[in-house]
Amino acid sequence: DIQLTQSPPSLSASVGDRVTMTCRTSQSIGIYLHWYQQKPGRAPKVLINAASELESGVPSRFSGGGSGTDFTLTISSLELEDFATYFCQQSHSGPITFGQGTRLEIK
Amino acid sequence: EALLEESGGGLAQPGGSLRLACSVSGITFDDYAMHWVRQAPGKGLEWVAGLSWSGSSIAYADSVEGRFTISRDNAKNSLYLHMDSLRPDDTAVYYCVKGLGGSYTPHTYFDKWGQGALVTVSS
Repeated sequence: DIQLTQSPPSLSASVGDRVTMTCRTSQSIGIYLHWYQQKPGRAPKVLINAASELESGVPSRFSGGGSGTDFTLTISSLELEDFATYFCQQSHSGPITFGQGTRLEIK
Repeated sequence: EALLEESGGGLAQPGGSLRLACSVSGITFDDYAMHWVRQAPGKGLEWVAGLSWSGSSIAYADSVEGRFTISRDNAKNSLYLHMDSLRPDDTAVYYCVKGLGGSYTPHTYFDKWGQGALVTVSS
């Protein structure tokens, strides 16, 4: 199985900050990497697919990058609604696997 | 707008059984592969099982293979997960999720999610 390691596990930041979190995979997966946002008590919501493609309706302050084994999710200017947990997911090969998440907290 | 609604969660004893159902509306259900993803309390996400639009192609996570059965009824726009031989580590919120196309493939991500159904396995 492909392992996904997200870092940092948690991150404290303020409204207006630029933040970047990473997802590293145990083997090369091209751009078969997707990012989700989950708020407490809610289902995850996909933000970015194929490493860098923004889902419809997702604000442009979110961006994704990377390929191979190293990927990033960047939020250019944090808004209050962005404080949540973020998960990456690989779809290169089965079984589909997720990272353990990065929890973004208000400083 | 797609709407996925899970039902059937609850408390089960170790070794027991439970069946989850997911009612889907707002999309052409039999155009899409469907999956179950679970999340243990305070933990990350785990893909559990998926099947093609016809139900002819199915895959399971190793952790549930042989104990869980995924199925669908396209006439009822419904997805199911039958869980046998339940263990305490099966305790989780189970999400019904939609894949991108009709075939079962791991080359997918999940663009629609239900609200989740809590399954608790405890004596």
